[in-house]
Amino acid sequence: GQQVMQIPQYQHVQEGEDFTTYCNSSTTLSNIQWYKQRPGGHPVFLIQLVKSGEVKKQKRLTFQFGEAKKNSSLHITATQTTDVGTYFCADGSSNTGKLIFGQGTTLQVKP
Amino acid sequence: GAVVSQHPSWVICKSGTSVKIECRSLDFQATTMFWYRQFPKQSLMLMATSNEGSKATYEQGVEKDKFLINHASLTLSTLTVTSAHPEDSSFYICSASERDLGTDTQYFGPGTRLTVL
Repeated sequence: GQQVMQIPQYQHVQEGEDFTTYCNSSTTLSNIQWYKQRPGGHPVFLIQLVKSGEVKKQKRLTFQFGEAKKNSSLHITATQTTDVGTYFCADGSSNTGKLIFGQGTTLQVKP
Repeated sequence: GAVVSQHPSWVICKSGTSVKIECRSLDFQATTMFWYRQFPKQSLMLMATSNEGSKATYEQGVEKDKFLINHASLTLSTLTVTSAHPEDSSFYICSASERDLGTDTQYFGPGTRLTVL
């Protein structure tokens, strides 16, 4: 079935270092969404990317959608301990509105 | 953003019993809700799409007779885990889509942690 591959699975960084997680699909995506899940919590919507080559920023977070709309990335500049959690990309291409989640990247930040 | 509630937040039950989980959209109407299951350190796996006023659409491999979904109103969907067994222990999360408002953003409930003894 349709899958979105996300790497890396885990990332440990020192506070202040940058962090990037990548999502790749074998098929063209109509849109991709990013969610953050804190330990013990539920996914919280971060952003949706729709346009080819789109770049969106939220403070220290930068989201990109590839030109071919088959890949996306989330980059965090100068991580903080509050960035800890699992970041998921999700394929929102289905016309039913359902999301297919990537495996997630769990970020640990050492103070 | 929209608010989705889920009840109960956790439940412990004996093997063979049934457990009902409620998902409510508090400040918007949702014709479509989704149910996910998440095992520890794993991603969210979509179980089914809950459609108001009609039958749920189940993902491949999900037993519809075991996981009963009812979407009786525009603000409430329920998931009943029938004859629960220890392997059903998991974190169950619902979400509601703002499709009715013209976007595909999904808002997640806080989840229900089910432990079957």
